[in-house]
Amino acid sequence: AQKITQTQPGMFVQEKEAVTLDCTYDTSDPSYGLFWYKQPSSGEMIFLIYQGSYDQQNATEGRYSLNFQKARKSANLVISASQLGDSAMYFCAMRESGGSYIPTFGRGTSLIVHP
Amino acid sequence: EAGVAQSPRYKIIEKRQSVAFWCNPISGHATLYWYQQILGQGPKLLIQFQNNGVVDDSQLPKDRFSAERLKGVDSTLKIQPAKLEDSAVYLCASSQDGNQPQHFGDGTRLSIL
Repeated sequence: AQKITQTQPGMFVQEKEAVTLDCTYDTSDPSYGLFWYKQPSSGEMIFLIYQGSYDQQNATEGRYSLNFQKARKSANLVISASQLGDSAMYFCAMRESGGSYIPTFGRGTSLIVHP
Repeated sequence: EAGVAQSPRYKIIEKRQSVAFWCNPISGHATLYWYQQILGQGPKLLIQFQNNGVVDDSQLPKDRFSAERLKGVDSTLKIQPAKLEDSAVYLCASSQDGNQPQHFGDGTRLSIL
């Protein structure tokens, strides 16, 4: 079974608008971490934001915020005020403490920001 | 601080040949990862080291892939012999420990002819 599911293969958003990228996960481990990474066309993976399973508040980093709904096992990434440079692949990833923190990545969502 | 360094950036070989990739993690990072990313997919973990010990290598095709991290710093990943399906980007990442965010290198793009 897929541990990380990203159902949107591609998303389009207009510059300066907000966009939500979906991520659902599957785990029975009470302790886990959720991560989002950005991969531009140049290929490097850039860490964006982290949410721990015990964190009470949703994580925020600048224009990025994570909409963490534990009961629904979802960890959606919200990008506010999209910029042209946000066009990239976005990957959701999870690490479970019971699995020695072995990371698992989703298949990614391609985001295109148009002017 | 210097990032994760990988070399080479690109490599083209014929099937059945061997190839090796090198990774130098961020100084002080105990955990090192090798991933395989096939075009259109997310990264797949091949092996994870904690210092110079292997934490997980369950997805490493051990009949042809090998990896080592001598002295708990640099690491090499080798493929011998290569198959067509090994064409991918090989990413190295490091983190301070297993629960911290990973920092990735630029990757090695491997093409098998």
